[in-house]
Amino acid sequence: GAGVSQSPSNKVTEKGKDVELRCDPISGHTALYWYRQRLGQGLEFLIYFQGNSAPDKSGLPSDRFSAERTGESVSTLTIQRTQQEDSAVYLCASSLTTGYLGTEAFFGQGTRLTVV
Amino acid sequence: QKEVEQNSGPLSVPEGAIASLNCTYSDRVSQSFFWYRQYSGKSPELIMSIYSNGDKEDGRFTAQLNKASQYVSLLIRDSQPSDSATYLCAVTNSGNTGKLIFGQGTTLQVKP
Repeated sequence: GAGVSQSPSNKVTEKGKDVELRCDPISGHTALYWYRQRLGQGLEFLIYFQGNSAPDKSGLPSDRFSAERTGESVSTLTIQRTQQEDSAVYLCASSLTTGYLGTEAFFGQGTRLTVV
Repeated sequence: QKEVEQNSGPLSVPEGAIASLNCTYSDRVSQSFFWYRQYSGKSPELIMSIYSNGDKEDGRFTAQLNKASQYVSLLIRDSQPSDSATYLCAVTNSGNTGKLIFGQGTTLQVKP
């Protein structure tokens, strides 16, 4: 696609429910990143993928969070048993590669998650 | 020590002035450096990338990198009210592992 696409744009869920957030990266981009941004705060790194593998999962806040990527394309971030503290904008970005050159990352429009 | 540090601001400059935004990073082997602009309620937008020591100019924007001092900056010349936003510094961590880490951002206000 022309840009990074995230769905849904907005999600309101009840506390305790599971949610799935989807990211469709720019075609040909092998690196994919997930970040969380709480209101008025900076970008909190969650996880990144190089191809279908995740070299660094250190940012996932708890075992309620998981992510996968298939076909070096779409990624889903799953939050189980959502809590009110999970309310934030979840941002996905992709880049051509990781490493040195070609690492410019481009963001999707984000998914605003509200847990009530 | 945070991996990427920025002064949160706000930095206030008059229209037409030069705005100077600064960032320091802790990982000495970082190789790729980026500046993003984020308007309120929007996602970050890439402005500049810089990989080598020195200056890189693109229109009204100049990025400056000093790896010895672990310092990267962004200068905005002829600042406009439309430049008012949060500016995020980002650094790839530990050479070629690819983890992209962001600072907390500096809020810039350009007053007409």
